[in-house]
Amino acid sequence: DAKTTQPPSMDCAEGRAANLPCNHSTISGNEYVYWYRQIHSQGPQYIIHGLKNNETNEMASLIITEDRKSSTLILPHATLRDTAVYYCILNAGGTSYGKLTFGQGTILTVHP
Amino acid sequence: DADVTQTPRNRITKTGKRIMLECSQTKGHDRMYWYRQDPGLGLRLIYYSFDVKDINKGEISDGYSVSRQAQAKFSLSLESAIPNQTALYFCATSDHTRAFFGQGTRLTVV
Repeated sequence: DAKTTQPPSMDCAEGRAANLPCNHSTISGNEYVYWYRQIHSQGPQYIIHGLKNNETNEMASLIITEDRKSSTLILPHATLRDTAVYYCILNAGGTSYGKLTFGQGTILTVHP
Repeated sequence: DADVTQTPRNRITKTGKRIMLECSQTKGHDRMYWYRQDPGLGLRLIYYSFDVKDINKGEISDGYSVSRQAQAKFSLSLESAIPNQTALYFCATSDHTRAFFGQGTRLTVV
């Protein structure tokens, strides 16, 4: 699976939108963009994934650029409980939905 | 109740001891995984299993072994624990779209 690049840390005010960027310039055509988060050493939690279209669920929105070389995870109204490490991961699926290559992620701190 | 349960949650063991970490799941998934996380780093894959008869090495399998006793159970063993195996260990399952992680086992080897 190809590599991703994320900023090491970001801050966000509670109630505001948190926009977490991810670069994946060498993404392959069959690779999905996945986002997981890890709250305080708990097990990582799935957030959202997409191939080329923008996606939205109850947790977040995922915006993927047209050339698929970068994406942005949006938490529309961040709360203190959204403070976590956010991982952007590329995954080709098939037999490998659980074979994930984690980078160091982005530490998001939501402050009052 | 958690869908992916790991036992124990915390363990301190001595160098050279054999230790087993256990994982059970109620999600009915065939695919199970063991990951290790060191402080400040992302998770790394140790072993994975796509069904009861299938075992595969991951990125960092040296010093570890696994056993898939049933569809729902996947155990990780450290045959002779060493201090640099001190880490947070996660078990996971996956379906056809995503992974589901347990709450982790914090292992300290002294």
